[in-house]
Amino acid sequence: QKEVEQDPGPLSVPEGAIVSLNCTYSNSAFQYFMWYRQYSRKGPELLMYTYSSGNKEDGRFTAQVDKSSKYISLFIRDSQPSDSATYLCAFDNTNAGKSTFGDGTTLTVKP
Amino acid sequence: NAGVTQTPKFQVLKTGQSMTLQCAQDMNHNSMYWYRQDPGMGLRLIYYSASEGTTDKGEVPNGYNVSRLNKREFSLRLESAAPSQTSVYFCASTTSYPGELFFGEGSRLTVL
Repeated sequence: QKEVEQDPGPLSVPEGAIVSLNCTYSNSAFQYFMWYRQYSRKGPELLMYTYSSGNKEDGRFTAQVDKSSKYISLFIRDSQPSDSATYLCAFDNTNAGKSTFGDGTTLTVKP
Repeated sequence: NAGVTQTPKFQVLKTGQSMTLQCAQDMNHNSMYWYRQDPGMGLRLIYYSASEGTTDKGEVPNGYNVSRLNKREFSLRLESAAPSQTSVYFCASTTSYPGELFFGEGSRLTVL
């Protein structure tokens, strides 16, 4: 069983829609939860970073973590064509020395 | 700010040829990583270097070697390329783990 399962997509939504991207994980040692955004033919870049259960908001983006269910989500409000990208969830724990990534969900926001 | 710089950006090899992918970062980061990304398979860690002078295997190290040349540079070598190594390779760095990874723009390798 993989440590991280990410909703595979692809996902296509109209401009202005609310988008929900989701990952589940099995490793209880994961303590840090991240979302990276990757535009086509570019490297991933960090979008959101949190280490506690609950919600963290940054503009149109909200990261949600539920440690008891081992489930994390990224919500995008008022989605824009510029949000079209692949979104990768990622997980760290204190001792591993390396991050564990989901396989990514490709999002297309149509004008 | 250059950040993480990878060379070359594109390369085509024949089966059995060797090559080295170069990575340099100018952010004074301690830890550096090499990932490969294949369609539908996300990022898979090949090797990483937690600090200068140390290297460790990741999830898919077979067929690769690495060298942490100094604090700035971390190279990935394919000794005898195989078609299964056709992929996009990303180098990343961070000041310390756990923490944000900074990625290069990738090196696209095709092995015929």
